Amino acid sequence: EPEVTQTPSHQVTQMGQEVILRCVPISNHLYFYWYRQILGQKVEFLVSFYNNEISEKSEIFDDQFSVERPDGSNFTLKIRSTKLEDSAMYFCASSDRRLSETQYFGPGTRLLVL
Amino acid sequence: QKEVEQNSGPLSVPEGAIASLNCTYSDRGSQSFFWYRQYSGKSPELIMFIYSNGDKEDGRFTAQLNKASQYVSLLIRDSQPSDSATYLCAVDTDKLIFGTGTRLQVFP
Repeated sequence: EPEVTQTPSHQVTQMGQEVILRCVPISNHLYFYWYRQILGQKVEFLVSFYNNEISEKSEIFDDQFSVERPDGSNFTLKIRSTKLEDSAMYFCASSDRRLSETQYFGPGTRLLVL
Repeated sequence: QKEVEQNSGPLSVPEGAIASLNCTYSDRGSQSFFWYRQYSGKSPELIMFIYSNGDKEDGRFTAQLNKASQYVSLLIRDSQPSDSATYLCAVDTDKLIFGTGTRLQVFP
C-alpha cells in the first residue's frame, strides 16, 4: 500500500538554526500539506500546496517558514531560524483530490529545539 | 475563530461495550467531518468521514452527524483494548481543523 514517508524521524537543533523537514508524498497525489502537533496539544494546519504554489496557510505559517517541491517527489518544510516553541511533531500529508477524505498522513518528524 | 471541541477524557469502557465519542464545531458552513485515530507518538489515521446528516456505518464504527446542532459523534461497538487511543474529530473548512481529541481506554 502506498504511503507518505518523512525524514528524518527525529531532529534536534539549536535555537536559531535552520532545519529542513522532508516528505515524499504518495506518487499520484497532487495536494500536499504540513501540520504540526505540539506535545499534548491538537494537530494544527500549517500550509497546503497545490500546482507548485501555496493554496492556503495558517497564522502559524509566518515568514520563518517556507515550503518547496524541489523535484517531482519531495515536498519540504524549511524553518529558517528555529525557536524553542517550534519544538513539535511535524506531519506531512498528501491527497489526490481537494476533498480531505483522501488525505494520508506521514509518520511525522519530531523536532526538538534546544 | 473556527473551533472544534471535544472532551479530552479519558473515556474508560470495558471490553465489548459501546464507546461514544462526541464533537461540536463552530462553523455552521462546514461540510465535511472526519474521525481520526491517533496512537501515542504516531500520526493520525483516518477512520471515518461523513458529509450528510444521519448515520454512516463502517464495520464496528458509526459516525453520526447533526448539522443543525453542529454535532458529530463516533460510536465504537464491541470495543477492544486495541481501540485504546486518542480519537480526533476534524472539520474541513478549506483546511482540516482538529479538536484536541478524546482519549479512549478500553479495559479487559
